[in-house]
Amino acid sequence: IAGITQAPTSQILAAGRRMTLRCTQDMRHNAMYWYRQDLGLGLRLIHYSNTAGTTGKGEVPDGYSVSRANTDDFPLTLASAVPSQTSVYFCASSEAGTSGTDTQYFGPGTRLTVL
Amino acid sequence: GQNIDQPTEMTATEGAIVQINCTYQTSGFNGLFWYQQHAGEAPTFLSYNVLDGLEEKGRFSSFLSRSKGYSYLLLKELQMKDSASYLCAVRDSNYQLIWGAGTKLIIKP
Repeated sequence: IAGITQAPTSQILAAGRRMTLRCTQDMRHNAMYWYRQDLGLGLRLIHYSNTAGTTGKGEVPDGYSVSRANTDDFPLTLASAVPSQTSVYFCASSEAGTSGTDTQYFGPGTRLTVL
Repeated sequence: GQNIDQPTEMTATEGAIVQINCTYQTSGFNGLFWYQQHAGEAPTFLSYNVLDGLEEKGRFSSFLSRSKGYSYLLLKELQMKDSASYLCAVRDSNYQLIWGAGTKLIIKP
């Protein structure tokens, strides 16, 4: 069982380029999340999806978009990358999304550098 | 605003006990989580508290006081592999997790 996979592992990107970070889970979880993690800051939620076909904005959604066409995949797109989007990006999933006990499980992360 | 506070860094000795504190101010409360994150890796789930009191799981215990907006993670019989960051997160009224910046724990022989 792979759990959650992310691709690429790392990427260096020129500013202004478009980039899609991929996330796939095989646990049949309903909810999925995208976070960014920056030094000295807590994980910050970018976008989330409580079930296939629905998405919502998190704390820092500007410059990012997501789609949830099916249960397993939750890609994150940077339409025109800027240096402030340099970060480590984590995808996570959980069974329900709207339950107090719901535990999130994380993918290995993508380290993105925008120059 | 919503805020989770935890110490930036702590140092402890192998075999000893360490307590990592977390205080929070959030819009609503639907549980508190502790995660462990080794350098360069993903966060992994350690514990969940929703009611006041102590939850024990092997060498790790987590305590919650909702009236004080306070939790701690207690690690006993420290091992070198416990060197990691420990993240505190609170589920708010919208069922979103609000994360602290993490506490980097350094274990010395």
